[in-house]
Amino acid sequence: DVKVTQSSRYLVKRTGEKVFLECVQDMDHENMFWYRQDPGLGLRLIYFSYDVKMKEKGDIPEGYSVSREKKERFSLILESASTNQTSMYLCASSTILGSYSNQPQHFGDGTRLSIL
Amino acid sequence: GQQVMQIPQYQHVQEGEDFTTYCNSSTTLSNIQWYKQRPGGHPVFLIQLVKSGEVKKQKRLTFQFGEAKKNSSLHITATQTTDVGTYFCAGYFGNEKLTFGTGTRLTIIP
Repeated sequence: DVKVTQSSRYLVKRTGEKVFLECVQDMDHENMFWYRQDPGLGLRLIYFSYDVKMKEKGDIPEGYSVSREKKERFSLILESASTNQTSMYLCASSTILGSYSNQPQHFGDGTRLSIL
Repeated sequence: GQQVMQIPQYQHVQEGEDFTTYCNSSTTLSNIQWYKQRPGGHPVFLIQLVKSGEVKKQKRLTFQFGEAKKNSSLHITATQTTDVGTYFCAGYFGNEKLTFGTGTRLTIIP
């Protein structure tokens, strides 16, 4: 079974801090994604990556950056945290192989981040 | 930008009643996926629809993809308490990004 592990379930940080959210997958998936989930807004894509050292902006990249130095690990960085970045952050991965036109995404349990 | 609208936002049903959630896009979708998120959990993939007019069933769940590939629906027959959660549609527009709908939260009244 695919396992996507996010480093923290809950995190509290202060405004202006640099925040790192880590995500590791154990299935050698090529694609990795970072979303934020807010009530009434669904899941919104922040950044995604198709390969090591490769990144693409999603729909809401402002205030965030990412790093993918190894295939299994995808990090989300809040350069200077602000209160409007308080949210649930979900990491996902998918393979490029398989029978589907676009392969299913497998999600981690999420990190509930509060910025005070 | 490309958006997927989903209605209703909330649905409360008596156990045993049917439930339907709808997704609409203003532009043609390459394909659409459906996910379920249990309370306190993460989204879990249910199914993918690719062909115009496609209908797929998983036990009490019926998924449909519109003829124009701009809309989709999920229908649950005779809901059970295990159906509780938020159902998301998510569409591909021909690029590699999956665009999620806003979700429909289903609660069941026993």
